[in-house]
Amino acid sequence: SQQGEEDPQALSIQEGENATMNCSYKTSINNLQWYRQNSGRGLVHLILIRSNEREKHSGRLRVTLDTSKKSSSLLITASRAADTASYFCATLPYNTDKLIFGTGTRLQVFP
Amino acid sequence: DVKVTQSSRYLVKRTGEKVFLECVQDMDHENMFWYRQDPGLGLRLIYFSYDVKMKEKGDIPEGYSVSREKKERFSLILESASTNQTSMYLCASSLNRGGRQPQHFGDGTRLSIL
Repeated sequence: SQQGEEDPQALSIQEGENATMNCSYKTSINNLQWYRQNSGRGLVHLILIRSNEREKHSGRLRVTLDTSKKSSSLLITASRAADTASYFCATLPYNTDKLIFGTGTRLQVFP
Repeated sequence: DVKVTQSSRYLVKRTGEKVFLECVQDMDHENMFWYRQDPGLGLRLIYFSYDVKMKEKGDIPEGYSVSREKKERFSLILESASTNQTSMYLCASSLNRGGRQPQHFGDGTRLSIL
């Protein structure tokens, strides 16, 4: 039961540029979370945004949520080579306890 | 910081074997989860547990079972391993029930079934 779909599937940019990844989902949610996964490692939690929030910041990360469009975006500003990773959105639908993960965006940042 | 430790990074087993994947968390979290990750399919939930001796089926429980005898330890068992269970297995934990807290992941076990 895949809920979140990330777009694009892959993104290549130069260091210093901004990277924007999008996530769309199908049902009403309690919250949406973004995670990062470095190659061959586990996922690391980045940001959680609740359904009544529209925007959240953490360092160089900015997440927006539009519940009317059932979509979210993750913006990484002034990207670095160390940001190279896969990024996943995960949604928590109402009335469930289970996160549903998307298939991820692979970000490559070239020095 | 929360630490979730999976017993093996890489594991190779044979078809038909009984396989145990172990996961330990050190932050007294109530919830623990097992996912498998396959290219193009993202993470899929196999089983999860809210408390000791409790377990709930996820989206793809067939061919798997779990055990949670202690709060900090959650084991995934492949009863009779098959080649279609070759995958990356990820364990995670979160503070309490409800999905309103982040999940903390281990580094994964890459399992190959020959």
